[in-house]
Amino acid sequence: EVQLVESGGGLVQPGGSLRLSCAVSGFTFSNYNMNWVRQAPGKGLEWLSYISRTGTIYYADSVKGRFTISRDNAKNSLYLQMNSLRAEDTAVYYCARLSGGFDPWGQGTLVTVSS
Amino acid sequence: QSVLTQPPSVSGAPGQRVTISCTGSSSNIGAGYDVHWYQQIPRTAPKLLIYDNNNRPSGVPDRFSGSKSGTSASLAITGLQAEDEADYYCQSYDSSLSYVFGSGTKVTVL
Repeated sequence: EVQLVESGGGLVQPGGSLRLSCAVSGFTFSNYNMNWVRQAPGKGLEWLSYISRTGTIYYADSVKGRFTISRDNAKNSLYLQMNSLRAEDTAVYYCARLSGGFDPWGQGTLVTVSS
Repeated sequence: QSVLTQPPSVSGAPGQRVTISCTGSSSNIGAGYDVHWYQQIPRTAPKLLIYDNNNRPSGVPDRFSGSKSGTSASLAITGLQAEDEADYYCQSYDSSLSYVFGSGTKVTVL
């Protein structure tokens, strides 16, 4: 069964940092491009970042310079390093495999930025 | 503000047909990039519903169909059922090297 499981969310103060992880199983991780998407409370979906199989990386303007996406194919894991966090970064963060569309998605991990 | 525009809500009685529009621009849908659709039940992760404009993943009922023309795309749900009550999002790729989502549409079954 294809599965993506995010972890690393939690409460962090404004200006703080957090590292999210996405552990995958059930498919050959190194063969797929991956993404991070978030959803603020009561809001829609916002794409954040993409990393290809070969390491090409894209970011949304809203996180460029603050967030860093990476992957470890040996550990079947995707990461999102989030620095200089702001209140508006409060959201559920999802990892998603790119396969046609985004499919599947993890269950999400909640990040709350508050003092 | 979302790059792709969707109506905030649509509604229909059980058995009816509803459609959700997704309007983009010449840098995304109009540039020929594929459109994908997702269904999100409250408090759960989104699920791919339609990929590459008009294809259904295994397990998705054929009541759901997609189409694309010019700078827009549409999702149709025929034979609306109570279980279809959810939020729906379109998604595409943009020439600015980014993936873009629609603003989302809440479907209510009356």
